[in-house]
Parts: sequence; C-alpha cells; structure tokens
Amino acid sequence: EVQLVESGGGLVQPGGSLRLSCVVSGFTVSSNYMSWVRQAPGKGLEWVAVIYSADSTDYADSVKGRFTISRDNYKDTLYLQMNSLRAEDTAVYYCARDRGDYVGAGFDFWGQGTLVTVSS
Amino acid sequence: DIQMTQTPSSLSASVGDRVTITCRASQSISSYLNWYQQKPGKAPNLLIYAASSLQSGVPSRFSGSGSGTDFTLTISSLQPEDFATYHCQQSYSSPPTFGGGTKVEIK
Repeated sequence: EVQLVESGGGLVQPGGSLRLSCVVSGFTVSSNYMSWVRQAPGKGLEWVAVIYSADSTDYADSVKGRFTISRDNYKDTLYLQMNSLRAEDTAVYYCARDRGDYVGAGFDFWGQGTLVTVSS
Repeated sequence: DIQMTQTPSSLSASVGDRVTITCRASQSISSYLNWYQQKPGKAPNLLIYAASSLQSGVPSRFSGSGSGTDFTLTISSLQPEDFATYHCQQSYSSPPTFGGGTKVEIK
C-alpha cells in the first residue's frame, strides 16, 4: 500500500526556519518525481518544488533561494528545508508523488498535509 | 507561468444532476491537463490525467475532455460523495499551475 506521511509543521516566527519530512512506503522516493505542494488557508493549490532523477531540483519563483528540497533514498524520506519564512508561506504543505516522468504529470498519491504557520 | 482559470468558482447542484466545470489555460497546453477532487481537510485526489484519462479507481461518472486552451470536467450523475472542490492543473510546462478551484455544493 502506498503511503506518504508528513511531519515537521508548526508555528514559526517570520525569518525563521523549519524542516518538513515526508516518509513514504509502498514505493521508493528515488525512482519517482516527488513534489511539495502547498495550500494557504481558504486558497487554491500552489506547487512549491520537485526533486527527480539524480537529485535534480526545481522551485517555484516564490520560494527559490529560500527553500531546499532533498531526499534520503535509504530512509525513503523527502524533505523541505524552509528558511527566511514569511507570513505568506503560511499553508498546509503536502508531499506528492508524480505518476509520470515529468513534473506535474499527475500527482497520484499525496500525504495528509502538515500545517506551517508563520506569525509573530 | 501558465495561468489556469476555472469557471464557475462555485455551483449548487442536486444529487443526480449532470455537472460541468470548465478550465481555461492562458496558452495552448495540448492535452497536459489534470483534474483533482478535494474534500474539506483532506488532500486532493487525482481524478483525470492527460485531459481525458480516468485515474485508476475513479468512478466512470467522471470524465474529462478538451485540448489546447479549453477543458471540461463532467460528472454525469452527481452523487452525495461528489460534493467537494475540484481543481484543474496544467503539466505542459514548469511550474505546474492550478486553477482557483470550483466548489460543488448541495442545492
């Protein structure tokens, strides 16, 4: 059975840092395109970052230079290191698996989400 | 970035109704269009990929059509469990972008 379980969310002050984790089972993070997608309260979905192939990465302009996506193939875990956090980063963060070999081919499995709140 | 516009933003319908949701891209995206269903407090669920391909396990009352810039998600006979928010998403170019969502409510 495929499962994705996120953790690491919480309340952080503006300018602070947080690291999210996503442990997967039923497949391997190394063999799939893996993304983070976020959803601000009451808003739509926003793609944040992807990791694929030999640790190639890509980011939304809104987080480029502040967020870093990575993975541990031995632990089958995806990470999102978030630095210099802003109020507008407040959202539920989901990890998601792509069904195809390009980003956004169709996110076929998602975690349950973890809430990040940036506030003083 | 490619902008995705969904209409309507919300609709009210009854069980058994045929429901159509539209998604328009700011440029041609061929058939690189996916649809998701999201219920309150839950993660999205992939319904349709590549504009018209039904994801495994999704009921056949859901269908997708379109190519280029205009796409449609149709629910042929609305069921109680279909009351949710629906999102379209383009996968033609990075970054993948989503529409604003369509909330389907009970009339």
